[in-house]
Amino acid sequence: GDSVTQMEGPVTLSEEAFLTINCTYTATGYPSLFWYVQYPGEGLQLLLKATKADDKGSNKGFEATYRKETTSFHLEKGSVQVSDSAVYFCALSRNQFYFGTGTSLTVIP
Amino acid sequence: GAGVSQTPSNKVTEKGKYVELRCDPISGHTALYWYRQSLGQGPEFLIYFQGTGAADDSGLPNDRFFAVRPEGSVSTLKIQRTERGDSAVYLCASSLTPPQAGGTYEQYFGPGTRLTVT
Repeated sequence: GDSVTQMEGPVTLSEEAFLTINCTYTATGYPSLFWYVQYPGEGLQLLLKATKADDKGSNKGFEATYRKETTSFHLEKGSVQVSDSAVYFCALSRNQFYFGTGTSLTVIP
Repeated sequence: GAGVSQTPSNKVTEKGKYVELRCDPISGHTALYWYRQSLGQGPEFLIYFQGTGAADDSGLPNDRFFAVRPEGSVSTLKIQRTERGDSAVYLCASSLTPPQAGGTYEQYFGPGTRLTVT
């Protein structure tokens, strides 16, 4: 069945460091791919999305490229800030959403 | 405009009791989803409504769980004979279009109801 596997956390980075959170997926057909973010005490929010192969989703300095050949959708940011501290979830959708287990990111000043 | 709201925000109940969790989706959103999120895990799909009908209830773990959406707006997730293993955060989400409509549909999540069964 469809599934998402994402990088285990927690991840701790210094401010302005480069961030990569790995995500790979298993799905038949052509799912849409998403990254959701959950800030402390808040609900899940869509961060970015991509609907087809080679699409790049971007938002708030974060980027992820839909790679069909490697079935991946890794999240990257060139320079993280303390305010980026949150839990990040990779997800795919066809008829329903499948979420990864989440990766906790803490950015220290 | 208002987002997805869920009530109560926290619910503590005793094992064996019945609970109802409520979700108010974004006005005009036709699709509504329930998820369960255990500690350290991602949201796990439970059920999806298109309008008033349950289009996919394959994620409901057993017949103690039931959900309704009688008027195509507010939904209630009902859990009978609660067990300690039911303790989790129950998330509701809504989307303007359903998955089968094609294209990308974005789900908007509520803050969740934290259920604790003692």
